[in-house]
Amino acid sequence: GAVVSQHPSRVICKSGTSVKIECRSLDFQATTMFWYRQFPKKSLMLMATSNEGSKATYEQGVEKDKFLINHASLTLSTLTVTSAHPEDSSFYICSASIGDTEAFFGQGTRLTVV
Amino acid sequence: GQNIDQPTEMTATEGAIVQINCTYQTSGFNGLFWYQQHAGEAPTFLSYNVLDGLEEKGRFSSFLSRSKGYSYLLLKELQMKDSASYLCASMDSNYQLIWGAGTKLIIKP
Repeated sequence: GAVVSQHPSRVICKSGTSVKIECRSLDFQATTMFWYRQFPKKSLMLMATSNEGSKATYEQGVEKDKFLINHASLTLSTLTVTSAHPEDSSFYICSASIGDTEAFFGQGTRLTVV
Repeated sequence: GQNIDQPTEMTATEGAIVQINCTYQTSGFNGLFWYQQHAGEAPTFLSYNVLDGLEEKGRFSSFLSRSKGYSYLLLKELQMKDSASYLCASMDSNYQLIWGAGTKLIIKP
């Protein structure tokens, strides 16, 4: 199957700093990329949907100025958590899809803000 | 509204068979997905059903009934490594995945 690489897999940062998470589709061009957040023992929560070359569509309640998403090419999307706070600590997962079929997930990034 | 229901937790014995049910209500329907997620890891794709019936893939099978808004994941010959959360997700008319809360499957020796 198609491969989606997410980096870093784990990051610890100080409160107030910004963290960038990369999501790359390695062997296909992803028309759409999705960013999810998962709290412990909870299901995935969709944060935003991004299409290459256009602004991301954010879900209700997700602060677009805090979670900056850039989808510069068909193989790369980035999520930047700006001015991180401890409550932003979570597991962030990206997925990429080809058209309207299955979504391929990255490995996930565990963010800890101290 | 859109809703996905699946049991919170199930327990089964190694070597046995277990069926995880999922009911869905979404705005439009473009397929039903099952994912497996081990603790601390991203979900991995198991199956995709868009037509009614049973799809078999090795030890795992998935069934869909669109008229009933119902799906199940069937796991045979259970192994300890099958202990994980199983996520059901329906794709709506906007091709967006609507996720269930996941079913935690515990396998006992």
